[in-house]
Amino acid sequence: DVKVTQSSRYLVKRTGEKVFLECVQDMDHENMFWYRQDPGLGLRLIYFSYDVKMKEKGDIPEGYSVSREKKERFSLILESASTNQTSMYLCASTRTGTEAFFGQGTRLTVV
Amino acid sequence: KNQVEQSPQSLIILEGKNCTLQCNYTVSPFSNLRWYKQDTGRGPVSLTIMTFSENTKSNGRYTATLDADTKQSSLHITASQLSDSASYICVVSPFSGGYNKLIFGAGTRLAVHP
Repeated sequence: DVKVTQSSRYLVKRTGEKVFLECVQDMDHENMFWYRQDPGLGLRLIYFSYDVKMKEKGDIPEGYSVSREKKERFSLILESASTNQTSMYLCASTRTGTEAFFGQGTRLTVV
Repeated sequence: KNQVEQSPQSLIILEGKNCTLQCNYTVSPFSNLRWYKQDTGRGPVSLTIMTFSENTKSNGRYTATLDADTKQSSLHITASQLSDSASYICVVSPFSGGYNKLIFGAGTRLAVHP
């Protein structure tokens, strides 16, 4: 059974903190993605990676960075958390051309 | 601009009833259209995927249809169950783009009441 695991279901962080969101997949997929989901807006792509150490900006990369040192792990980093980054964050992985599998999501609150 | 719009925004139905969710898109050409189910606080899970040449796909009580001429898709749920309460998201993949070009609708929130 395919699995995409995000390290936390819920996180509360203070403004200005550096925040790490971790995502691990066990399907040997080459592509991994980070999205944020806000009410009424649908999923918006932050960053994606198509190979180890490779990354590309999505639609809303400002305020975020990513790291992919190993194929199975894709990390999203909020360099200095702000209240407008309060959101649901979803990680996904896929083999090229096939459907995406999503993690369970991390609900981040920045206070 | 490529867009995917879903309607209604939210829907309440009684258990056992049928319902239909709509998805209108302007993405053209496109590679495939998918419907996902997202339970509250969870990640989306794929229900159906259709290429531009298909016009219907079923998965149990879920049936998706696609009309490429009118750029409309619908998701029909038969004999609804309480566990169908969730958000349903329509996702279109443009033909020319890489996988990163998935375009998500905002979703329809369905509540099934006993």
